[in-house]
Amino acid sequence: DIQMTQSPSTLSASVGDRVTITCRASQSISSWLAWYQQKPGKAPKLLIYKASSLQSGVPSRFSGSGSGTEFTLTISSLQPDDFATYYCQHYNSNSYSFGQGTKLEIE
Amino acid sequence: QVQLQQSGPGLVKPSQTLSLTCAISGDSVSSNSGTWNWIRQSPSRGLEWLGRTYYRSTWYSDYAVSVKSRITINPDTSKNQFSMQLNSVTPEDTAVYYCARASLWFGGPDYYYYIDVWGKGTTVTVSS
Repeated sequence: DIQMTQSPSTLSASVGDRVTITCRASQSISSWLAWYQQKPGKAPKLLIYKASSLQSGVPSRFSGSGSGTEFTLTISSLQPDDFATYYCQHYNSNSYSFGQGTKLEIE
Repeated sequence: QVQLQQSGPGLVKPSQTLSLTCAISGDSVSSNSGTWNWIRQSPSRGLEWLGRTYYRSTWYSDYAVSVKSRITINPDTSKNQFSMQLNSVTPEDTAVYYCARASLWFGGPDYYYYIDVWGKGTTVTVSS
């Protein structure tokens, strides 16, 4: 099984900051990666698919990059609504695996 | 706009069967491009994909290795919904369960399913 590892586990930042979250795969996964945002008590929300494609309706301050084994999610200018937990996810032919999550906290 | 409405009990006794249903609006369970998934989330296991069903001229189901011997996911075309049954549950199966749709991205020889719509989640506790 392919393992997905996110870093950091927790990130403290302020409104207006630029932040980057990293996701590493245990082997190459091409561009088959998605990013989700989850707030307490809510289902995850799709932000990015195929590593860098922005889901419809998601603000342009969110961007994704990478291929192979290393991927990043960048928020260009943090807004109050962005403080949440973020997950990366890989799809592999007939199953999905998730990273352990990165909690983005207010500094 | 696609919406998924989950239903099912919040409390299940150990050794019994957990049954959940997901009603679809705005799409069809018989879609030739989507897949219909169950995912759970717990503090100890994080987000865990459990399985899916989908239609491509016939019906298919795929399951996670971790639950393959205990799970069944079935479509119900008459009600445009799909369901999950997880047998022989233990307290380790306590989690929030989500149904979800995955959409198809297709480019040349490559294709990719990304989960884009989620139900609100059902908190299931396994306890006597």
